[in-house]
Amino acid sequence: AQKVTQAQTEISVVEKEDVTLDCVYETRDTTYYLFWYKQPPSGELVFLIRRNSFDEQNEISGRYSWNFQKSTSSFNFTITASQVVDSAVYFCALSATNFGNEKLTFGTGTRLTIIP
Amino acid sequence: DAGVTQSPTHLIKTRGQQVTLRCSPKSGHDTVSWYQQALGQGPQFIFQYYEEEERQRGNFPDRFSGHQFPNYSSELNVNALLLGDSALYLCASSLAGGANIQYFGAGTRLSVL
Repeated sequence: AQKVTQAQTEISVVEKEDVTLDCVYETRDTTYYLFWYKQPPSGELVFLIRRNSFDEQNEISGRYSWNFQKSTSSFNFTITASQVVDSAVYFCALSATNFGNEKLTFGTGTRLTIIP
Repeated sequence: DAGVTQSPTHLIKTRGQQVTLRCSPKSGHDTVSWYQQALGQGPQFIFQYYEEEERQRGNFPDRFSGHQFPNYSSELNVNALLLGDSALYLCASSLAGGANIQYFGAGTRLSVL
């Protein structure tokens, strides 16, 4: 069975501070995908990143960066120089890689509030 | 290029009634997945449709059923509504294949009174 844990329920930081959102996962699959989605108040889940379990290289996209560590089953997300527009609920998710078994298993989310 | 669209946006029903939610996938996508998101929780997978057939199903009772049409659009039906069915219902579309990215609509907020 797959499981995703986001232990941080809510985080508040002052604008321009850096913030890291934690994600720990469990799976028996040897290959899998990890995802991060952002959910603003409008409700739509916005895709941020997908990472294959084979690729442990960290990734940076503008102010966003992701740290994947297979040894600790973690896939953490850092926002550098946070902005008010970053305020949202962030979800980490996990899926298998085989065709026909593509459901996303989500964590419970972290509500991030950026204080101006 | 339109993204995933869902209708209606909001819906209010009473216990025991039946409801149908609709989803149009992103252009070019052939797979539709449905998720239920209770307040303060992460989305829970209901089922996925591909080639007009249910391909994968989560831990939801048979009261939850679906359909996919030849144009890849999809419906989610819930019978005999319970108060606990109140949630945001999210539709996601993707291309068939190993864990292709799922793109989500804005959801339908269902309230059961």
